[in-house]
Amino acid sequence: AQTVTQSQPEMSVQEAETVTLSCTYDTSESDYYLFWYKQPPSRQMILVIRQEAYKQQNATENRFSVNFQKAAKSFSLKISDSQLGDAAMYFCAYLNNAGNMLTFGGGTRLMVKP
Amino acid sequence: DAGVIQSPRHEVTEMGQEVTLRCKPISGHNSLFWYRQTMMRGLELLIYFNNNVPIDDSGMPEDRFSAKMPNASFSTLKIQPSEPRDSAVYFCASSPYGTENEKLFFGSGTQLSVL
Repeated sequence: AQTVTQSQPEMSVQEAETVTLSCTYDTSESDYYLFWYKQPPSRQMILVIRQEAYKQQNATENRFSVNFQKAAKSFSLKISDSQLGDAAMYFCAYLNNAGNMLTFGGGTRLMVKP
Repeated sequence: DAGVIQSPRHEVTEMGQEVTLRCKPISGHNSLFWYRQTMMRGLELLIYFNNNVPIDDSGMPEDRFSAKMPNASFSTLKIQPSEPRDSAVYFCASSPYGTENEKLFFGSGTQLSVL
């Protein structure tokens, strides 16, 4: 079974600075998908960024980028130029190749200081 | 604690049948959430409860979907009648809402296939 580990329960960053959230996972599959979700107070889960394991290039979405290290099974999220609105819970998630099993990490609470 | 428990793990049914998904939240958690995950739409919040009371059901796709939480330790998500487009993985999550430790704890999900 796949497992996803977020080793940082909480992180804090100064506004306009850069922060990196860690995520590691364990799998025996070679093809899969990885996600970072943001959970604001609305409890909705907002997809921040997505990475296909077969792609070597790291995904990027505006101020959000990932460092995907397939051999190390690491999938960290970097947020550049942090904004107050980035404050939220962030979940790392693994989706198996068949697309029918989504496994979440424990979450990291990000605080942004003005 | 055993975590959030969902049942069944897999459900295969025929179009038109009633489907009931079940969830047991973590003891002591006062918020419960139902999410639906598809490849096309990602993770969608369907409904959530605080202290057994539905707070926001705006994500429930249509009248065929209903959710109940008769007590603090049990919730159901019902689809009647089911349709093939309902095929997805449905997640339940619970949270100690309003506390310093507030965050979501997810169940393993129920994979629903409607034929």
